[in-house]
Amino acid sequence: QQQVKQSPQSLIVQKGGISIINCAYENTAFDYFPWYQQFPGKGPALLIAIRPDVSEKKEGRFTISFNKSAKQFSLHIMDSQPGDSATYFCAAIGGADGLTFGKGTHLIIQP
Amino acid sequence: DAGVIQSPRHEVTEMGQEVTLRCKPISGHNSLFWYRQTMMRGLELLIYFNNNVPIDDSGMPEDRFSAKMPNASFSTLKIQPSEPRDSAVYFCASSFRQDGHQAFFGQGTRLTVV
Repeated sequence: QQQVKQSPQSLIVQKGGISIINCAYENTAFDYFPWYQQFPGKGPALLIAIRPDVSEKKEGRFTISFNKSAKQFSLHIMDSQPGDSATYFCAAIGGADGLTFGKGTHLIIQP
Repeated sequence: DAGVIQSPRHEVTEMGQEVTLRCKPISGHNSLFWYRQTMMRGLELLIYFNNNVPIDDSGMPEDRFSAKMPNASFSTLKIQPSEPRDSAVYFCASSFRQDGHQAFFGQGTRLTVV
């Protein structure tokens, strides 16, 4: 059973546009929601994270929006740049489960 | 700190051979995680340790897989015998916390079993 569902699987956005990646979860014990960024040949790196007691967190061009009632959260990348091209993973932590990942979104920013 | 260090970076082996992957966590981190990444299944947690003790190995696919953490600065993941379906990128990560908060990942070992 997939604990964290992520969409889309791949995404192409024009430079300067907004990239949006969505995730949904079922386990209400999850209490921490990080996003990881992975470049080819590298390990995933923590990008930004949110707790369910806030609805939005912004760090530079990256924003997480969180909807606790819908059990959904999303990553928005504003003014997307070619250097943002990477694979993005949403994840969740809480309860008996450790760090559980979505399947990833392959993002390509076209110049 | 040099971060999480994994070796080797690449491993090619023949089916049936034993493979050992190595990981050095970040100094001071007391939790260590082994993940496997494939296109089909994404990032799967195989096993994690807290204070060198295995806590949850329910993600280990078969008895062919085993992991050890003899001390706070070293862990191994062993596959014996290896099979072509074990081909994947294996990541080690470490964290201050057992639940994986602020986990840092190594660069991974790309394993190819032919």
